[in-house]
Amino acid sequence: AQSVTQLDSHVSVSEGTPVLLRCNYSSSYSPSLFWYVQHPNKGLQLLLKYTSAATLVKGINGFEAEFKKSETSFHLTKPSAHMSDAAEYFCVVSEFRTYKYIFGTGTRLKVLA
Amino acid sequence: GAVVSQHPSWVICKSGTSVKIECRSLDFQATTMFWYRQFPKQSLMLMATSNEGSKATYEQGVEKDKFLINHASLTLSTLTVTSAHPEDSSFYICSAREAASGTDTQYFGPGTRLTVL
Repeated sequence: AQSVTQLDSHVSVSEGTPVLLRCNYSSSYSPSLFWYVQHPNKGLQLLLKYTSAATLVKGINGFEAEFKKSETSFHLTKPSAHMSDAAEYFCVVSEFRTYKYIFGTGTRLKVLA
Repeated sequence: GAVVSQHPSWVICKSGTSVKIECRSLDFQATTMFWYRQFPKQSLMLMATSNEGSKATYEQGVEKDKFLINHASLTLSTLTVTSAHPEDSSFYICSAREAASGTDTQYFGPGTRLTVL
């Protein structure tokens, strides 16, 4: 079975400092992994996705994630946090053949002025 | 591109009534649409998978007679909450997977906030 674990339920950073949101996955197959962001009372926006083409994936708004098979990790990073980055972030793995999404529990990012 | 809309964005109804939520893919055809439910400060819970022209597949524990799903075309799926009760109050989100893309990327609608009085 496939799964993802988001290691932190809450992360606080100061504006202008780096962001690190951690995600570990479990999969018997080569996984498709995604990061989505959800602002309050909004739907989910795709930040980036990994589909085995390149281990370092660049997304929108300056975010990127690195797929590390040896560590079964897919951590999301951004060099410099902006106030508008405050939101809920979900790490997702796509289930093999069914295309269903398996969600992590989410990480709430708080950006301090 | 890849925009998904939902209507209404919020709805308030009386207990015992039915509510229909529409999910549309605006600029692509979606063979598969998914319906999720999200409780406050929680992750998304998949309710059902909707394939165009066939019956929806419900996740374990989701009442198919209560949450009726219809996927009448490649751009429209509807979720009807029948005989709604206060415990059905939640944030309902749909997503769509593009038919031609061959990928598993889902694009999400903005969600519908349902409040049952």
